[in-house]
Amino acid sequence: ELKVEQNPLFLSMQEGKNYTIYCNYSTTSDRLYWYRQDPGKSLESLFVLLSNGAVKQEGRLMASLDTKARLSTLHITAAVHDLSATYFCAVAPMDSNYQLIWGAGTKLIIKP
Amino acid sequence: NAGVTQTPKFQVLKTGQSMTLQCAQDMNHEYMSWYRQDPGMGLRLIHYSVGAGITDQGEVPNGYNVSRSTTEDFPLRLLSAAPSQTSVYFCASSPLAGGPGIGQFFGPGTRLTVL
Repeated sequence: ELKVEQNPLFLSMQEGKNYTIYCNYSTTSDRLYWYRQDPGKSLESLFVLLSNGAVKQEGRLMASLDTKARLSTLHITAAVHDLSATYFCAVAPMDSNYQLIWGAGTKLIIKP
Repeated sequence: NAGVTQTPKFQVLKTGQSMTLQCAQDMNHEYMSWYRQDPGMGLRLIHYSVGAGITDQGEVPNGYNVSRSTTEDFPLRLLSAAPSQTSVYFCASSPLAGGPGIGQFFGPGTRLTVL
Protein backbone atom coordinates (compact mmCIF):
# COMPACT_ATOMS: atom_id res chain seq x y z
CA GLU A 1 0.00 0.00 0.00
CA LEU A 2 1.31 3.41 -0.93
CA LYS A 3 1.74 5.62 2.09
CA VAL A 4 2.68 9.21 2.67
CA GLU A 5 3.40 9.99 6.29
CA GLN A 6 3.85 13.42 7.73
CA ASN A 7 5.21 14.25 11.13
CA PRO A 8 4.43 15.83 13.32
CA LEU A 9 0.68 15.96 12.73
CA PHE A 10 0.35 18.87 15.11
CA LEU A 11 2.89 21.50 15.99
CA SER A 12 2.55 24.48 18.28
CA MET A 13 5.48 26.84 18.34
CA GLN A 14 6.50 30.33 19.29
CA GLU A 15 7.15 33.12 16.84
CA GLY A 16 10.79 33.46 15.94
CA LYS A 17 11.61 29.76 16.29
CA ASN A 18 12.74 27.36 13.57
CA TYR A 19 11.16 24.01 12.89
CA THR A 20 10.95 21.25 10.29
CA ILE A 21 8.02 19.20 9.03
CA TYR A 22 8.87 15.80 7.58
CA CYS A 23 7.18 13.92 4.77
CA ASN A 24 8.11 10.26 4.23
CA TYR A 25 6.70 8.20 1.39
CA SER A 26 6.77 4.53 0.54
CA THR A 27 6.81 4.52 -3.26
CA THR A 28 9.28 5.48 -5.94
CA SER A 29 8.71 9.06 -6.96
CA ASP A 30 10.59 12.05 -8.25
CA ARG A 31 7.76 14.51 -7.86
CA LEU A 32 6.57 15.92 -4.57
CA TYR A 33 4.25 18.81 -3.76
CA TRP A 34 3.67 20.97 -0.71
CA TYR A 35 0.36 22.74 -0.13
CA ARG A 36 -1.02 25.07 2.48
CA GLN A 37 -4.60 25.15 3.78
CA ASP A 38 -6.02 27.81 6.07
CA PRO A 39 -8.95 26.78 8.31
CA GLY A 40 -12.17 26.39 6.34
CA LYS A 41 -10.43 27.39 3.13
CA SER A 42 -9.15 25.77 -0.02
CA LEU A 43 -5.61 24.61 -0.74
CA GLU A 44 -2.78 26.69 -2.12
CA SER A 45 0.26 25.30 -3.89
CA LEU A 46 3.54 26.18 -2.18
CA PHE A 47 6.27 24.12 -3.81
CA VAL A 48 6.76 21.53 -6.52
CA LEU A 49 9.93 19.44 -6.16
CA LEU A 50 10.80 17.59 -9.34
CA SER A 51 14.13 15.87 -8.78
CA ASN A 52 16.47 14.45 -6.20
CA GLY A 53 18.19 17.20 -4.29
CA ALA A 54 15.67 19.84 -5.33
CA VAL A 55 15.41 22.77 -2.97
CA LYS A 56 12.86 25.56 -3.18
CA GLN A 57 12.53 28.60 -0.95
CA GLU A 58 9.83 31.20 -0.56
CA GLY A 59 10.14 33.67 2.26
CA ARG A 60 10.49 31.82 5.56
CA LEU A 61 9.67 28.42 4.02
CA MET A 62 12.17 26.09 2.41
CA ALA A 63 11.38 22.68 0.97
CA SER A 64 13.78 19.95 -0.08
CA LEU A 65 13.54 16.49 -1.61
CA ASP A 66 15.71 13.39 -1.14
CA THR A 67 14.31 10.73 -3.47
CA LYS A 68 16.77 8.09 -2.30
CA ALA A 69 15.62 8.42 1.29
CA ARG A 70 12.03 9.01 0.12
CA LEU A 71 11.92 12.07 2.31
CA SER A 72 10.95 15.69 1.90
CA THR A 73 11.26 18.41 4.48
CA LEU A 74 9.54 21.75 4.90
CA HIS A 75 11.66 24.04 7.05
CA ILE A 76 10.26 27.12 8.72
CA THR A 77 12.69 29.84 9.66
CA ALA A 78 11.88 32.46 12.29
CA ALA A 79 8.21 31.58 12.30
CA VAL A 80 5.55 34.30 12.24
CA HIS A 81 1.88 34.04 13.15
CA ASP A 82 0.78 34.33 9.50
CA LEU A 83 2.33 30.94 8.78
CA SER A 84 -0.24 29.24 10.99
CA ALA A 85 -2.05 26.75 8.72
CA THR A 86 -2.20 23.08 7.84
CA TYR A 87 0.56 21.93 5.51
CA PHE A 88 0.18 18.93 3.25
CA CYS A 89 2.68 17.02 1.19
CA ALA A 90 1.58 14.95 -1.80
CA VAL A 91 3.51 12.45 -3.88
CA ALA A 92 3.08 11.41 -7.50
CA PRO A 93 4.10 7.72 -7.81
CA MET A 94 6.42 6.95 -10.72
CA ASP A 95 4.06 4.32 -12.12
CA SER A 96 0.97 6.51 -11.91
CA ASN A 97 2.04 10.10 -11.82
CA TYR A 98 -1.40 11.54 -12.45
CA GLN A 99 -2.61 10.25 -9.10
CA LEU A 100 -1.33 12.14 -6.10
CA ILE A 101 -1.15 10.40 -2.74
CA TRP A 102 -1.51 12.85 0.14
CA GLY A 103 -0.19 13.00 3.65
CA ALA A 104 -2.62 13.61 6.51
CA GLY A 105 -1.38 17.14 7.00
CA THR A 106 0.54 18.99 9.71
CA LYS A 107 -1.46 21.54 11.66
CA LEU A 108 0.89 24.34 12.58
CA ILE A 109 -0.02 26.92 15.21
CA ILE A 110 2.41 29.77 15.75
CA LYS A 111 1.87 31.75 18.91
CA PRO A 112 2.86 35.40 19.21
CA ASN B 1 -9.92 34.80 -14.61
CA ALA B 2 -12.28 33.16 -12.15
CA GLY B 3 -9.89 30.22 -11.71
CA VAL B 4 -11.63 27.06 -10.48
CA THR B 5 -15.25 27.46 -9.43
CA GLN B 6 -17.43 24.94 -7.63
CA THR B 7 -21.14 24.86 -6.93
CA PRO B 8 -22.86 24.48 -4.59
CA LYS B 9 -20.81 25.57 -1.56
CA PHE B 10 -22.99 23.58 0.84
CA GLN B 11 -25.42 20.73 0.30
CA VAL B 12 -27.47 18.45 2.53
CA LEU B 13 -28.80 15.22 1.04
CA LYS B 14 -30.83 12.34 2.32
CA THR B 15 -29.54 8.81 1.95
CA GLY B 16 -30.29 7.49 -1.52
CA GLN B 17 -30.60 10.85 -3.23
CA SER B 18 -28.42 11.71 -6.20
CA MET B 19 -26.83 14.98 -7.12
CA THR B 20 -24.12 16.56 -9.23
CA LEU B 21 -21.33 18.75 -7.94
CA GLN B 22 -20.27 21.24 -10.55
CA CYS B 23 -16.69 22.26 -11.32
CA ALA B 24 -15.45 24.64 -13.98
CA GLN B 25 -12.12 26.25 -14.80
CA ASP B 26 -11.26 29.02 -17.21
CA MET B 27 -7.50 28.48 -17.47
CA ASN B 28 -7.61 25.97 -20.34
CA HIS B 29 -6.06 23.30 -18.11
CA GLU B 30 -6.01 19.76 -19.44
CA TYR B 31 -5.84 18.05 -16.05
CA MET B 32 -8.78 18.16 -13.68
CA SER B 33 -9.45 16.13 -10.56
CA TRP B 34 -11.88 15.59 -7.73
CA TYR B 35 -10.82 14.98 -4.14
CA ARG B 36 -12.59 14.40 -0.92
CA GLN B 37 -11.19 15.65 2.35
CA ASP B 38 -12.07 13.96 5.61
CA PRO B 39 -10.77 14.98 9.04
CA GLY B 40 -7.31 13.63 9.78
CA MET B 41 -6.99 11.84 6.43
CA GLY B 42 -5.64 14.40 4.01
CA LEU B 43 -7.09 14.38 0.51
CA ARG B 44 -8.10 11.31 -1.44
CA LEU B 45 -8.42 11.30 -5.20
CA ILE B 46 -11.84 10.24 -6.50
CA HIS B 47 -11.54 10.65 -10.28
CA TYR B 48 -9.36 12.58 -12.64
CA SER B 49 -9.22 13.61 -16.28
CA VAL B 50 -6.34 14.42 -18.59
CA GLY B 51 -8.48 16.01 -21.27
CA ALA B 52 -11.93 16.22 -22.79
CA GLY B 53 -13.41 12.75 -23.21
CA ILE B 54 -10.78 11.08 -20.99
CA THR B 55 -11.43 10.16 -17.37
CA ASP B 56 -9.98 7.64 -14.97
CA GLN B 57 -10.46 6.38 -11.44
CA GLY B 58 -8.51 7.54 -8.47
CA GLU B 59 -8.12 6.05 -5.03
CA VAL B 60 -11.78 6.11 -3.93
CA PRO B 61 -14.06 6.06 -7.02
CA ASN B 62 -16.92 3.90 -5.74
CA GLY B 63 -20.26 5.70 -5.64
CA TYR B 64 -19.12 8.51 -7.91
CA ASN B 65 -19.22 9.14 -11.65
CA VAL B 66 -17.57 11.81 -13.75
CA SER B 67 -17.58 12.99 -17.33
CA ARG B 68 -15.49 15.50 -19.25
CA SER B 69 -17.32 16.71 -22.32
CA THR B 70 -15.43 20.02 -22.48
CA THR B 71 -12.05 21.23 -21.30
CA GLU B 72 -13.73 23.65 -18.88
CA ASP B 73 -16.19 21.45 -17.01
CA PHE B 74 -15.75 18.37 -14.85
CA PRO B 75 -18.92 17.47 -12.92
CA LEU B 76 -18.98 14.85 -10.17
CA ARG B 77 -22.13 12.79 -9.77
CA LEU B 78 -23.15 11.01 -6.61
CA LEU B 79 -25.32 8.14 -7.73
CA SER B 80 -27.05 7.19 -4.46
CA ALA B 81 -25.78 9.23 -1.53
CA ALA B 82 -24.65 7.46 1.63
CA PRO B 83 -23.65 8.91 5.03
CA SER B 84 -20.08 7.75 4.32
CA GLN B 85 -19.95 10.34 1.54
CA THR B 86 -20.30 13.18 4.01
CA SER B 87 -17.13 15.15 3.33
CA VAL B 88 -15.66 18.28 1.81
CA TYR B 89 -15.14 17.92 -1.93
CA PHE B 90 -12.49 19.82 -3.83
CA CYS B 91 -12.04 20.16 -7.55
CA ALA B 92 -8.61 21.04 -8.89
CA SER B 93 -7.01 21.74 -12.24
CA SER B 94 -3.54 22.16 -13.69
CA PRO B 95 -1.65 22.14 -16.94
CA LEU B 96 -0.87 18.59 -17.96
CA ALA B 97 2.84 19.03 -18.57
CA GLY B 98 4.81 17.51 -15.74
CA GLY B 99 1.97 15.47 -14.30
CA PRO B 100 -0.81 16.84 -12.11
CA GLY B 101 0.44 20.28 -11.51
CA ILE B 102 3.10 22.36 -11.63
CA GLY B 103 0.90 23.09 -8.66
CA GLN B 104 -2.77 22.37 -8.94
CA PHE B 105 -5.31 25.17 -8.58
CA PHE B 106 -8.07 24.25 -6.17
CA GLY B 107 -11.67 25.37 -6.09
CA PRO B 108 -13.28 26.66 -2.88
CA GLY B 109 -14.82 23.31 -2.01
CA THR B 110 -18.30 21.88 -1.48
CA ARG B 111 -19.30 20.80 2.00
CA LEU B 112 -21.67 17.85 1.66
CA THR B 113 -23.68 16.27 4.43
CA VAL B 114 -25.64 13.07 3.87
CA LEU B 115 -28.27 12.29 6.47
